[in-house]
Order: sequence, then C-alpha cells, then structure tokens
Amino acid sequence: GAGVSQSPSNKVTEKGKDVELRCDPISGHTALYWYRQSLGQGLEFLIYFQGNSAPDKSGLPSDRFSAERTGGSVSTLTIQRTQQEDSAVYLCASSLGAAYNEQFFGPGTRLTVL
Amino acid sequence: KNEVEQSPQNLTAQEGEFITINCSYSVGISALHWLQQHPGGGIVSLFMLSSGKKKHGRLIATINIQEKHSSLHITASHPRDSAVYICAVSGDSNYQLIWGAGTKLIIKP
Repeated sequence: GAGVSQSPSNKVTEKGKDVELRCDPISGHTALYWYRQSLGQGLEFLIYFQGNSAPDKSGLPSDRFSAERTGGSVSTLTIQRTQQEDSAVYLCASSLGAAYNEQFFGPGTRLTVL
Repeated sequence: KNEVEQSPQNLTAQEGEFITINCSYSVGISALHWLQQHPGGGIVSLFMLSSGKKKHGRLIATINIQEKHSSLHITASHPRDSAVYICAVSGDSNYQLIWGAGTKLIIKP
C-alpha cells in the first residue's frame, strides 16, 4: 500500500508569509508525528496526534506553529509569519498505535524562508 | 550528557568491511529503533527491538538491556549503505522518541 506522503516536497517563501504543509499518513495508522530537521542536525519533535486524543504540542517552538488533524487522517502543519530560522525539512511520520510502534516516515517538505 | 549517544559520529570504510555502529542510552526504554537516512532522502526504519537480536539481510541489530547498549552491524558493506544511521529510543512511559545525533557512514568502493 501507499506510504506516508507529504506535500509540497519543496516550499520557498518570503519572510513573514504563512505556509501550510500537508501530511497523508498510512491508512489505518492512528498515531501521527511531525518533526523538524535543520541542516546537519538531528530530528526535533514538534507535535503528536493519537486518535481522538488531545495532541501533544509540547515540541512546537513558538505560537506561530500550529497543526491540526482532520478526521483522524490528514494533518496540516501551519507556520505563520515565517522566519528565516524556520528553514528546515519538516518530516511527518505515522504508526499503527501509540507507544512502541514502528514509525513510518514521509519524504519530508523542504522549507526555505528567504 | 545526551540521553542517547551514538558512536562514532562519522565512519568511513572500504567496500566489504564489517561495520559496527554503537548506541548507548541512559533512560528506561520500551524499545530501541535504528533508522537510516540517505542524503537528501527520507528516513527508513530498519529495526525496532526491545531485547536480543534481529537480522535483516546484511544488517544485524543487537541490544543489551542491562548495559543499556545497542549495536548495528553491517556485513559485507557496500557503497549504497552510505547514509546516516540514527538510534532512537521509546521511553518507558512516553511515546516520544529520544533521538541520537546519528552516525554518518561512507563506504568507499
């Protein structure tokens, strides 16, 4: 079956603009994660959705970042008033359930803020 | 001190060599993950293990829970194995993964 997909694959935007990044998880996966990877750095946890539970937003770096997951499937990560330090690859992953489950990653969205 | 530490940070070897990448952790875990990231590519999960040893093709992962240590081995290494290998752990009571910094592996032909 299809893996995790993300769109767009690349996004170039100007400082101060809002951007939306989309993630389509694997069908049937109830858990969805967003990560950020800056150039040459490791992964940084942003947010976690599990079923209908309230999301864990503890990793969001500022209130300019928000995410939602509609119908327990597709997720959108929104960055408002983008800054140059937001430039990174944004990765989405999904897994069958909550803890201990293998995460399947999407190809990522490379965001460049000019 | 990071909760998950990998060594070496960088590793360059010749094709055919046996490769070992190490991961040590300092927290209680429910599972340990090994993942692979190719340059410019996505991340692929290689193994998830909580005890013993797993093998997939030329890749072998072992974990020693008592010593809080895991190793990833690659036998008969090939240039296509060149990638960043990442160790991550699932905490006892937390779904979040705690990530190692990664080991950049280059296999020369």
